[in-house]
Amino acid sequence: GENVEQHPSTLSVQEGDSAVIKCTYSDSASNYFPWYKQELGKRPQLIIDIRSNVGEKKDQRIAVTLNKTAKHFSLHITETQPEDSAVYFCAAIVSGQNFVFGPGTRLSVLP
Amino acid sequence: DTGVSQNPRHKITKRGQNVTFRCDPISEHNRLYWYRQTLGQGPEFLTYFQNEAQLEKSRLLSDRFSAERPKGSFSTLEIQRTEQGDSAMYLCASSLWGGPINQPQHFGDGTRLSIL
Repeated sequence: GENVEQHPSTLSVQEGDSAVIKCTYSDSASNYFPWYKQELGKRPQLIIDIRSNVGEKKDQRIAVTLNKTAKHFSLHITETQPEDSAVYFCAAIVSGQNFVFGPGTRLSVLP
Repeated sequence: DTGVSQNPRHKITKRGQNVTFRCDPISEHNRLYWYRQTLGQGPEFLTYFQNEAQLEKSRLLSDRFSAERPKGSFSTLEIQRTEQGDSAMYLCASSLWGGPINQPQHFGDGTRLSIL
């Protein structure tokens, strides 16, 4: 079955800098890759997703890139703000099957 | 649309007791998922339904755990003879599956279970 790894487990950046979180997956049939943000005590919230037919997607300060050959995808946050501090989870899904989540990255944006 | 709703938000019980959680998905969503999340970890898949059919159950799931979705709407997750290791946040999520393209999951606020 699918296995998702995520790095780094913790990440600290200065406010205004960029943050990059990388995930790798094992099943080449995976075709959908969402990213979730979870603030302390709250539900995971979808922030961006990408499908296997595109290589990059942007939404304001957030972007996701996908390299199907290498089986990895990355979350890029530019101009980080303190409210970006949270735990971020990636996931990979084979069409029609269940979601497999990475272990998470705790991002801290330092003022 | 009020999103995915879970009840109760918190449950404290003694070891050995049975507990039951409820999840009400987004109304038009035909898929419903249960996850367990412990501190510092990502959601761990337990089981999922398409309509009333339970399509997959984690191999890690003890037979003390059972889930139902009798009418294809709300779902219940029951844990029998609870153990200390069952303490966790239990998350429910729902999505719309129309094949072949996956749609995003939307999560509830979870039920936090504490075993004394």
